[in-house]
Amino acid sequence: QSVVTQPPSASGTPGQRVTISCSGSTLNIGGNLVYWYQQFPGTAPKLLIFRNDQRPSGVPDRFSGSKSGTSASLAISGLRSEDEADYYCASWDDRQGGLVVFGGGTKLTVL
Amino acid sequence: EVLLLESGGDLVPPGGSLRLSCAGSGFPFNLYAMIWVRQAPGKGLEWVSTISETGDASHYADSVRGRFSISRDNSKNSLYLQMNSLRAEDTAMYYCATSEFSQFLPPDNWGQGTLVTVSS
Repeated sequence: QSVVTQPPSASGTPGQRVTISCSGSTLNIGGNLVYWYQQFPGTAPKLLIFRNDQRPSGVPDRFSGSKSGTSASLAISGLRSEDEADYYCASWDDRQGGLVVFGGGTKLTVL
Repeated sequence: EVLLLESGGDLVPPGGSLRLSCAGSGFPFNLYAMIWVRQAPGKGLEWVSTISETGDASHYADSVRGRFSISRDNSKNSLYLQMNSLRAEDTAMYYCATSEFSQFLPPDNWGQGTLVTVSS
């Protein structure tokens, strides 16, 4: 059981806007920065959002991140078939000397 | 461009040891904290360990503390993970990753991974 919670699945149709939530506590999301990753089957994760809402160069502006209190969200607008992937949130956690915590991951299906 | 190349993954019996390596290039290796993350087959991502830029500080997941040891050699742009007393539940793809701004952050750039299988 992860200390950071994501819905196991999400879905949308092409062109739609989809959001994926990430819920934590004051020890992690509430007091630290949130990162988001995209992972396709058989490949390494790729950084999608860093520092809550920043996009690395090359990531389309269809992807956006936000944080409020102990929760964060990843929004994907203008959904495309190639967005079908697993999405993970992550944050530093201040317990036990510190650790990185990942959400359990959300499988996004484009219908 | 940040490049990370992991190596050392193998099939090892329970109780055995293995040393993973990660060669970094395309960035100032000595200025980045480094991280190991693993992913068991069909499962999510699990943070394993982080080491500071100079190597003087490290952090471990409870699941590996006391069995795994992270280290780095900045003169060789290399990161290592010494894994002892391996268990079946350590079977996973192991990814090397960077943390550009701080050891107290999640990963940013990732390698392609090296597969560790613990089985008799």
